[in-house]
Amino acid sequence: QVQLKESGPGLVQPSQTLSLTCTVSGLSLTSNSVSWIRQPPGKGLEWMGVIWSNGGTDYNSAIKSRLSISRDTSKSQVFLKMNSLQTEDTAMYFCARNSGHFDYWGQGVMVTVSS
Amino acid sequence: DIQMTQSPPSLSASLGDKVTITCQASQNINKYIAWYQQKPGKAPRQLIRYTSTLVSGTPSRFSGSGSGRDYSFSISNVESEDIASYYCLQYDNLPWTFGGGTKLELK
Repeated sequence: QVQLKESGPGLVQPSQTLSLTCTVSGLSLTSNSVSWIRQPPGKGLEWMGVIWSNGGTDYNSAIKSRLSISRDTSKSQVFLKMNSLQTEDTAMYFCARNSGHFDYWGQGVMVTVSS
Repeated sequence: DIQMTQSPPSLSASLGDKVTITCQASQNINKYIAWYQQKPGKAPRQLIRYTSTLVSGTPSRFSGSGSGRDYSFSISNVESEDIASYYCLQYDNLPWTFGGGTKLELK
């Protein structure tokens, strides 16, 4: 069955770069798209960006200058890198399969930005 | 960007009640709206896609309707397991955007 799982550091210092990995199973990244979505504590959901099945990307303009999404299809992994982190970037980060909407989600990884 | 105005932000219901949540888009989204349920500490779970299509495993007490800019999501006969937050998502245009959420509580 389709599964996604996020991994990465739980704590990042301000101004540093966040690196997260989404490992997928039960689907091929060459025929499926994957998005990153985040949720600050007690707040709503924000779509961050997508890597399409053809390897192209689209980003939320609010964070586009700081964000990069890439993948390794041989390892079934999607990567998120976001630089210049601030406390406002403290959030649960989810990856999800994109079928237009988001039908399968990972469990999420909590990232705290703090010194 | 398309803004999704979701209301109410919170809702109190008794078991067996019918509740309705609305989302209004800032422009026509051509029925490309999905609804999600989220319980504390969990990932959102998709319930409905394309306005009214129930995703496999979604109980029939959940329903969705709407067109153009205005959409609604209902739960008939609220059960205890329905206590959660609910979000709408428009996926007509990038960037995909969510409503602000509705927290459903027991009265």
